Amino acid sequence: AQSVTQPDIHITVSEGASLELRCNYSYGATPYLFWYVQSPGQGLQLLLKYFSGDTLVQGIKGFEAEFKRSQSSFNLRKPSVHWSDAAEYFCAVGGNDYKLSFGAGTTVTVRA
Amino acid sequence: DAGVIQSPRHEVTEMGQEVTLRCKPISGHNSLFWYRQTMMRGLELLIYFNNNVPIDDSGMPEDRFSAKMPNASFSTLKIQPSEPRDSAVYFCASSFRSGFSNQPQHFGDGTRLSIL
Repeated sequence: AQSVTQPDIHITVSEGASLELRCNYSYGATPYLFWYVQSPGQGLQLLLKYFSGDTLVQGIKGFEAEFKRSQSSFNLRKPSVHWSDAAEYFCAVGGNDYKLSFGAGTTVTVRA
Repeated sequence: DAGVIQSPRHEVTEMGQEVTLRCKPISGHNSLFWYRQTMMRGLELLIYFNNNVPIDDSGMPEDRFSAKMPNASFSTLKIQPSEPRDSAVYFCASSFRSGFSNQPQHFGDGTRLSIL
């Protein structure tokens, strides 16, 4: 079975600064990888996904993520954060069945 | 396009009462998932439907929980009788195709359930 670790529970970043959220996965074959964002009181919104091909994937809201097989990682980045990026971010991994395994989430606080 | 629609958004009820949560998946999606989110346990998959048939209900906590999908556009999650430890946010998600997790799941806004 697949699993995901998000090592950072909470990150605080200044508005305009860069952001990187870490995600490490465990899966024996090529994984399907996702990043979701959850704003307070809302559901999870898909930011981006990786299935195959180019290991640098672009998503919505100016986010990108890089798949590194050698490190079993799929870190999320944004060059310049906006106050509206304050939310909880979830990394998820899927395999050759219907199940997605979600990480525990990283809460991002943006300070002015 | 309408997303996944859940109702109610909030539910507060007393212990012992029956609770019914509702979900309308995205049209054309044939996979439907019910999740529960709590601070302690994060996101847990409760049950998975494919083409309206329950495929995996191993995440359903106990017999007090039941779920149905009478047609492709509607599903319910019922708790009877409810207990305070059932308090959580319940999400419904749907996706296109089935059997593989390479299709992203689209989530509703959830139902915040409080059992007093």
